[in-house]
Amino acid sequence: DTGVSQDPRHKITKRGQNVTFRCDPISEHNRLYWYRQTLGQGPEFLTYFQNEAQLEKSRLLSDRFSAERPKGSFSTLEIQRTEQGDSAMYLCASSEQGVSTDTQYFGPGTRLTVL
Amino acid sequence: AQSVAQPEDQVNVAEGNPLTVKCTYSVSGNPYLFWYVQYPNRGLQFLLKYITGDNLVKGSYGFEAEFNKSQTSFHLKKPSALVSDSALYFCAVRDSSWGKFQFGAGTQVVVTP
Repeated sequence: DTGVSQDPRHKITKRGQNVTFRCDPISEHNRLYWYRQTLGQGPEFLTYFQNEAQLEKSRLLSDRFSAERPKGSFSTLEIQRTEQGDSAMYLCASSEQGVSTDTQYFGPGTRLTVL
Repeated sequence: AQSVAQPEDQVNVAEGNPLTVKCTYSVSGNPYLFWYVQYPNRGLQFLLKYITGDNLVKGSYGFEAEFNKSQTSFHLKKPSALVSDSALYFCAVRDSSWGKFQFGAGTQVVVTP
């Protein structure tokens, strides 16, 4: 079990540029979640997938944000025309379907800095 | 709607003393409650969860939590704190067996030698 992995770990970009983050969940997990965490706050939900279907999107996820999970395995989160307010830690989590086992396991996060 | 409150921004405790981190919640249905810990520049690590059953839940690294339905609380406890327990602790709730979490703002725990 290699755990949830995220790439890159850090990203520095200039305002207006596009960025894409990748998340690889634990292999047998069919649910995948994205959260955003700013300094001094708890993670805030962005979106989640069951297999390849995107089931819910937060209102935090503006039109500049898009997430995909095309084959039900890894997922990407893209931010277009980045703004300074997008600077945050982006966390990915995965879980396995089932009441007793639906614990979300988090990756190390991607820290985005928009200059 | 669901919400979580962690009333203390920081908890200071001496090594070897008991540690308590408070959490209260609000959900429309049955609560599913979790505790996670975060070390600097790291993701969240799962500690324990309450789904149903015994109100006292035991988890990783000697932590436990007590579910109190009447007080809508789920406080995290450790009988004897270690310096290595110094970290940021998050309580999370959801009102269904799966789906998105609502996290608290976090409590910084500082354990001094």
